[in-house]
Amino acid sequence: NAGVMQNPRHLVRRRGQEARLRCSPMKGHSHVYWYRQLPEEGLKFMVYLQKENIIDESGMPKERFSAEFPKEGPSILRIQQVVRGDSAAYFCASSPQGVENSPLHFGNGTRLTVT
Amino acid sequence: GNSVTQMEGPVTLSEEAFLTINCTYTATGYPSLFWYVQYPGEGLQLLLKATKADDKGSNKGFEATYRKETTSFHLEKGSVQVSDSAVYFCALSDSDSNYQLIWGAGTKLIIKP
Repeated sequence: NAGVMQNPRHLVRRRGQEARLRCSPMKGHSHVYWYRQLPEEGLKFMVYLQKENIIDESGMPKERFSAEFPKEGPSILRIQQVVRGDSAAYFCASSPQGVENSPLHFGNGTRLTVT
Repeated sequence: GNSVTQMEGPVTLSEEAFLTINCTYTATGYPSLFWYVQYPGEGLQLLLKATKADDKGSNKGFEATYRKETTSFHLEKGSVQVSDSAVYFCALSDSDSNYQLIWGAGTKLIIKP
């Protein structure tokens, strides 16, 4: 049973380009969560999605960031017009449907570097 | 606001040494406390948790006790192995959700044979 798969592992973008980060949840999981870890800081919650729905985006920056979890395919975190401050590790986690307070299963993360 | 503070790393120990990684928190109410571990090349995984004062979480030889009087949740292991080398994250949940966690910055642990 494959775990949470994130790709790419490392992503380098120039300022102003777009970054697309992908996350495939564990088999049977329909809840996906995105977190960001800035250097020397803890993880910060960004967004919680279920299939085709955004449940909680309270941690998502209002501009340039968007997330989706389509009916088919992985969840995508999209960052438009990246800036140096977007350089961070982005982690995705998943959990099964209907299991309250179940532990989250994390992917390996995507390290985004903006040059 | 609520916060979690962990000791800075890296922490370097010899095999079979005693391990303590300090974690203190500030929170209103009665949060749940967690330790997550990230082994090299892998995702974070839940190591142990405690949901109320004086609870002791334990797993794989690791233990942490929820101390409300000192607002601490220090991670301990009596005899570490090279395979314990990883980054350890302390976190708290001050709500009913399982995803709105407040995280420490992580402590890198290096165990030398």
